Amino acid sequence: AQSVTQLDSHVSVSEGTPVLLRCNYSSSYSPSLFWYVQHPNKGLQLLLKYTSAATLVKGINGFEAEFKKSETSFHLTKPSAHMSDAAEYFCVVSEGGSQGNLIFGKGTKLSVKP
Amino acid sequence: GAGVSQSPSNKVTEKGKDVELRCDPISGHTALYWYRQSLGQGLEFLIYFQGNSAPDKSGLPSDRFSAERTGGSVSTLTIQRTQQEDSAVYLCASSLVGQVVTKNIQYFGAGTRLSVL
Repeated sequence: AQSVTQLDSHVSVSEGTPVLLRCNYSSSYSPSLFWYVQHPNKGLQLLLKYTSAATLVKGINGFEAEFKKSETSFHLTKPSAHMSDAAEYFCVVSEGGSQGNLIFGKGTKLSVKP
Repeated sequence: GAGVSQSPSNKVTEKGKDVELRCDPISGHTALYWYRQSLGQGLEFLIYFQGNSAPDKSGLPSDRFSAERTGGSVSTLTIQRTQQEDSAVYLCASSLVGQVVTKNIQYFGAGTRLSVL
């Protein structure tokens, strides 16, 4: 069975400092992994995806994530936080194929201080 | 349209009433998904459509919940005899579905916020 654990429910950083949002997954198969972002009162937006190609995945807005099979991790990073990055971030796993419903982590709320 | 459209954006109803939530997927997307986002529960999968059929209804929380999709496009999620615990944001997503996983990226609407008083 698939599952996703986001290790921090809330992360607070200062503007201009690095961001690290942690995610561990469990999957019986080769998973596809995603990070989605949700700004207040907005829909979920795909940041990046891993689908068994390069293990370091670059996404939008300067975010990237590294798939580490040995650690079953898919942590999200950004070198320098911006105020507009304040949002909730969801790590997601899918076993894909023709069905492919997504399993969401509980989310990490990112706050960015000026 | 350019993205997934959901209506209404907000719905307030009284306990015991029925509600209908609508989702317009991205044109050409054959797969459609409903999720529920509740405080403290995170995002949970409700139901998935491939075309007009629903091969996976495993996430529907009770028989008060039902969904249909017509013409391979618009979907309606119906909640009968609403309860206060049904209060949540209901999200719809659509995707191109194929054997290649990269086609299975789901694009989400902004959701319908349901409040049951």
